[in-house]
Amino acid sequence: EVQLVETGGGLVQPGRSLKLSCVASGFTFNNYWMSWTRQAPGKGLEWVASITNSGGSTYYPDSVKGRFTISRDNAQNTLYLQMNSLRSEDTATYYCTRDGRVGYYWYFDFWGPGTMVTVSS
Amino acid sequence: DTVLTQSPALAVSPGERVTISCRASESVSTGMHWYQQKPGQQPKLLIYGASNLESGVPARFSGSGSGTDFTLTIDPVEADDTATYFCQQSWNDPTFGAGTKLELK
Repeated sequence: EVQLVETGGGLVQPGRSLKLSCVASGFTFNNYWMSWTRQAPGKGLEWVASITNSGGSTYYPDSVKGRFTISRDNAQNTLYLQMNSLRSEDTATYYCTRDGRVGYYWYFDFWGPGTMVTVSS
Repeated sequence: DTVLTQSPALAVSPGERVTISCRASESVSTGMHWYQQKPGQQPKLLIYGASNLESGVPARFSGSGSGTDFTLTIDPVEADDTATYFCQQSWNDPTFGAGTKLELK
């Protein structure tokens, strides 16, 4: 059974940093791209970052580029998201996802339960 | 960014057929995917590539469309289908629609 479990969320002041982790099990972790997607309270979904299965390439939207860094440790089946210079608009539940990729199809076929990040003074 | 527009809410009776629409601001070919999110839960993939049913998802769910106009159909609707449904495109960097909240009468 595929499982993704996120940890590391919490309350953080604006301008500070936070690192999220996601431990994966039930599948061959190093065969899959992985991503983070977030959801602000009562709002929709926003893709935040993705990483190739080897970790050699990463992708970000403009809203977090230069502030967030995605990484992975394939030996530990763990995905990370380093978040720096946090802003109030980064307040959200952050989901770890396993990516499905077939040609130009890029979708998120398993999601963790999420970890809440609140940026507030 | 490719903007996806969904109607905000729908209300249907159990046993009926419901269609949920998603319109893209530019063509995404068939790079459209659908998710179901129940209150307090993480999203779940239903359909990928516009019309491909994800493994384990009931055949009551189906998807169609290409280019800019897409539809998720549930037939027949069951009480357990109360949820918000999101579309997501992958022709460009992933973006999501704002979601359609489905309520049962």
